Amino acid sequence: AQSVTQLGSHVSVSEGALVLLRCNYSSSVPPYLFWYVQYPNQGLQLLLKYTSAATLVKGINGFEAEFKKSETSFHLTKPSAHMSDAAEYFCAVSGGSNYKLTFGKGTLLTVNP
Amino acid sequence: KAGVTQTPRYLIKTRGQQVTLSCSPISGHRSVSWYQQTPGQGLQFLFEYFSETQRNKGNFPGRFSGRQFSNSRSEMNVSTLELGDSALYLCASSPTGAGSSYEQYFGPGTRLTVT
Repeated sequence: AQSVTQLGSHVSVSEGALVLLRCNYSSSVPPYLFWYVQYPNQGLQLLLKYTSAATLVKGINGFEAEFKKSETSFHLTKPSAHMSDAAEYFCAVSGGSNYKLTFGKGTLLTVNP
Repeated sequence: KAGVTQTPRYLIKTRGQQVTLSCSPISGHRSVSWYQQTPGQGLQFLFEYFSETQRNKGNFPGRFSGRQFSNSRSEMNVSTLELGDSALYLCASSPTGAGSSYEQYFGPGTRLTVT
């Protein structure tokens, strides 16, 4: 079985500040890990993915995430927040013979001017 | 490449009716998955199809069904609609085969409202 826990349902940062969104996972098989972003009234857009290559993964829009097996974490960061980053962010896990994505509950990111 | 398309984008139905939602995957993607998104339950997996066969199914009642056609397009059907079926239904397609990393690409969703 696989599961994802996103710590903090709502994170608020100032424009230009560091963004840190937390994700911990549980998986009985080597995981594939993903971060998605969802803007209002839209579908999910893939930000980045971890597929057992490099542990530090760079994605679109300046986001990156680091896979830490010992901590079962895959936190998402961005050095400097922009107003356009305001959205809901979802961490997801899959792997093994399981072709489905298991999502966390999501973190709503607010960026204050 | 065109992205995943879903039709219709918005739908209003009455309790007890049935509904069919359609999804066209990214060209070349043979795997199509469906998810239900609600404020209370979040994103929940419905089912996944590959080469016209259902490979995985989530924990939803039998009122929820789907199918995939030979061109990889997929439909999902919900019969005897209940108020709790009101949700955003998301379709996602995935590249498959050797070296696949399971990433899924999502459509814009169909917003279903049951009254």
